[in-house]
Amino acid sequence: AQSVAQPEDQVNVAEGNPLTVKCTYSVSGNPYLFWYVQYPNRGLQFLLKYITGDNLVKGSYGFEAEFNKSQTSFHLKKPSALVSDSALYFCAVRNPNTGFQKLVFGTGTRLLVSP
Amino acid sequence: DTEVTQTPKHLVMGMTNKKSLKCEQHMGHRAMYWYKQKAKKPPELMFVYSYEKLSINESVPSRFSPECPNSSLLNLHLHALQPEDSALYLCASSQITGNRDNYGYTFGSGTRLTVV
Repeated sequence: AQSVAQPEDQVNVAEGNPLTVKCTYSVSGNPYLFWYVQYPNRGLQFLLKYITGDNLVKGSYGFEAEFNKSQTSFHLKKPSALVSDSALYFCAVRNPNTGFQKLVFGTGTRLLVSP
Repeated sequence: DTEVTQTPKHLVMGMTNKKSLKCEQHMGHRAMYWYKQKAKKPPELMFVYSYEKLSINESVPSRFSPECPNSSLLNLHLHALQPEDSALYLCASSQITGNRDNYGYTFGSGTRLTVV
């Protein structure tokens, strides 16, 4: 079965500092990995994905993530955090070997950026 | 059009009511999904439709009844719900075949359901 783990319930960072939100995955074969962001009372917004190719993936709003196969990780990063980045972040995985259909989410990490 | 539209945005219903949630997309996606999300929890998959046919039912109680009348529309019919069914219901869609870069999901903003 496929799964993702987000070990931190909350990450606190000061505005202007770099941020990292951690994600590790467990899936047989090569995974499709995604990051989504959710603002209060809203749906999920797509940030970026890794399917294949370069391990460093750049996405929306200045976010990027690095796929590390040996560590089975896909951490989300941003060089300089903004207060407006404060939200709930979900890592998700899909196993292409078991079909396109099931996207499994991690438990989410709340990012709080202080002014 | 690159959106998934869900209506209504908010719904309050009694335990004896019948109501429906609606989802619409015009991106040509042939897979559509219903997710349920409780507060501060990740979304949980309920149903998957591919080519307008139900392909996954994650052991969802029969008081939730999905319907996919055509490739652009997805409904979730609700009947005799319980207060614990109160949640944010998210619809999503995705490609099935083609360029792997298109395999991401697009989510709607959700329907906030309260069962009283």
